[in-house]
Amino acid sequence: GAGVSQSPSNKVTEKGKDVELRCDPISGHTALYWYRQSLGQGLEFLIYFQGNSAPDKSGLPSDRFSAERTGGSVSTLTIQRTQQEDSAVYLCASSLALGGAYYGYTFGSGTRLTVV
Amino acid sequence: DQQVKQNSPSLSVQEGRISILNCDYTNSMFDYFLWYKKYPAEGPTFLISISSIKDKNEDGRFTVFLNKSAKHLSLHIVPSQPGDSAVYFCAASLDSNYQLIWGAGTKLIIKP
Repeated sequence: GAGVSQSPSNKVTEKGKDVELRCDPISGHTALYWYRQSLGQGLEFLIYFQGNSAPDKSGLPSDRFSAERTGGSVSTLTIQRTQQEDSAVYLCASSLALGGAYYGYTFGSGTRLTVV
Repeated sequence: DQQVKQNSPSLSVQEGRISILNCDYTNSMFDYFLWYKKYPAEGPTFLISISSIKDKNEDGRFTVFLNKSAKHLSLHIVPSQPGDSAVYFCAASLDSNYQLIWGAGTKLIIKP
């Protein structure tokens, strides 16, 4: 597609439930990133995928968080047993390659997750 | 540790005046710096960038200045317009094979 597509745009879930957030990057972009932005906070790095390399999961806040990228394209971020502190906007970005400085990041509009 | 810092969470500027957003960094090996702009309910979008070999880059109303000795960069918007009201993120890169390191953002409010 023309841009990075994220779904759903909004998600309200009950504490303890699992949620899946989807990101469809720009076709041909080999690098894909997940960030989250809590209220009043900056961008918090979660995970990135680059081609067929092992993903960098160093930003995942707990083992309740996991992400997959199938076929080098669509990615799913899964949060198990959601907690209220997981409430945030989850942003996905993609770039031609890992070097964001040179290739630029294109962000999706995000998924606003609210855990009640 | 925060390698890229935006110490002002928010900034309010009169329409038509100059807006100056600041960013400090700790790693002298950063070789490229970028500014992104984010409107509510949208993802950040690229605004302007500067290589570490330069000290200034200008694009229309937007100019980024880099002071390597002070490890400081700033974004100047002249003149400020209501549509400039947004959150501005500073980001830095170590090299072409590394992901961006982001600041916490500064919310710019342009008053009519």
